[in-house]
Amino acid sequence: EIVMTQSPATLSVSPGERATLSCRASQSVSSNLAWYQQKPGQAPRLLIYDASTRATDIPARFSGSGSGTDFTLTISSLQSEDFAVYYCQKYNKWPPGVTFGPGTKVDIK
Amino acid sequence: QVRLQESGPGLVKPSQTLSLTCSVSGIKISSGGYYWTWIRQKPGKGLEWIGYIYYSGSTYYNPSLKSRLTISVDTSKNQFSLKLSSITAADTAVYYCARVIAMGGFDPWGQGTLVTVSS
Repeated sequence: EIVMTQSPATLSVSPGERATLSCRASQSVSSNLAWYQQKPGQAPRLLIYDASTRATDIPARFSGSGSGTDFTLTISSLQSEDFAVYYCQKYNKWPPGVTFGPGTKVDIK
Repeated sequence: QVRLQESGPGLVKPSQTLSLTCSVSGIKISSGGYYWTWIRQKPGKGLEWIGYIYYSGSTYYNPSLKSRLTISVDTSKNQFSLKLSSITAADTAVYYCARVIAMGGFDPWGQGTLVTVSS
């Protein structure tokens, strides 16, 4: 079973600064990785899939990179609405299967 | 615009079967091209994938839930459903449904429904 880890658990950032979030898989997941943003009381929102493809209507300040076991979500200039919990998710194309990481909370410094 | 909405009882007794339905609008499940999925989030915790279904009825389940889980689809109603049997307090969670994009990301999600397991 592939285990997903995320670091740091909490990231304190000032508005306008850059945020870099890390996700690591215990074995290669190729580029089969997505990132989500979740705000309190809301459903998660897809930001990135296939490691680096932005989902529909996602601002360009969100970017994803990596392949294999190490992945990064970068928020180039944090806006007030970006303070949230971010989850990575690996998926198998075949046979289908999904595992989420434990999340990184981005809060205001 | 594709929208999903979960429905079902908010309180279920231990040992019973949890039944939830996801109603889809803005797209026909029977058109194919997408899998549909259930995810849950226990209070204060992270996300747990439950399983997928295709319009044909093909399913893929989280191995940790497989023995208690049934996911089905009703294309005439444009809905898919989840049944989880022998539930315990550990199944208390917000349950979400979502569409699967390219066998990868989940988008969009329903708003979620809180299910509490308690006698």
